[in-house]
Amino acid sequence: GNSVTQMEGPVTLSEEAFLTINCTYTATGYPSLFWYVQYPGEGLQLLLKATKADDKGSNKGFEATYRKETTSFHLEKGSVQVSDSAVYFCALSDPQAAGNKLTFGGGTRVLVKP
Amino acid sequence: DTAVSQTPKYLVTQMGNDKSIKCEQNLGHDTMYWYKQDSKKFLKIMFSYNNKELIINETVPNRFSPKSPDKAHLNLHINSLELGDSAVYFCASSLDSIRGNTIYFGEGSWLTVV
Repeated sequence: GNSVTQMEGPVTLSEEAFLTINCTYTATGYPSLFWYVQYPGEGLQLLLKATKADDKGSNKGFEATYRKETTSFHLEKGSVQVSDSAVYFCALSDPQAAGNKLTFGGGTRVLVKP
Repeated sequence: DTAVSQTPKYLVTQMGNDKSIKCEQNLGHDTMYWYKQDSKKFLKIMFSYNNKELIINETVPNRFSPKSPDKAHLNLHINSLELGDSAVYFCASSLDSIRGNTIYFGEGSWLTVV
């Protein structure tokens, strides 16, 4: 079946550091890929998405490129802020499902210290 | 204006009780979902409705019964609550059920069963 694997956290960084969160997937077919963010005590917000190979999604200084050859969608940000402290979820839209169904990774908690 | 709103945000109840969580979206979307997030932050789809019709029904105990009176509402009723039902329940919606469409989440309902 389909699956998403993310690096386990927590990831602790200093402000202005470079952030990378690895995400790899297994899917039959060509899924769309997403990053969602969950700030403390809040719901899930879409951060960015990519729908086909080599697409780059970007938002709020975050970027991720859909790499079909390595089945990866790693999230990067060049200079993190304290306000980026959150849990980040990588997800794919199951290409085989009847309907639009997201399969999530386990989430990566990021803590940015001043 | 909140796009996907769900109530209540917090719910503490005793084992054996029956409870409901309500969800409404004002985005004009055709498709709505319920996702469950467990204590380890793992997210999994429970149900999906498209224009009031059930299209995704994962392996969920039949104590959970979704109801969609119209395409803007998807409520979740849970009978005979158990300790293991404690979780965060997210309502969500998307434009339609086409795979890859962005799914927009509500802020979550934190259910604690004691």
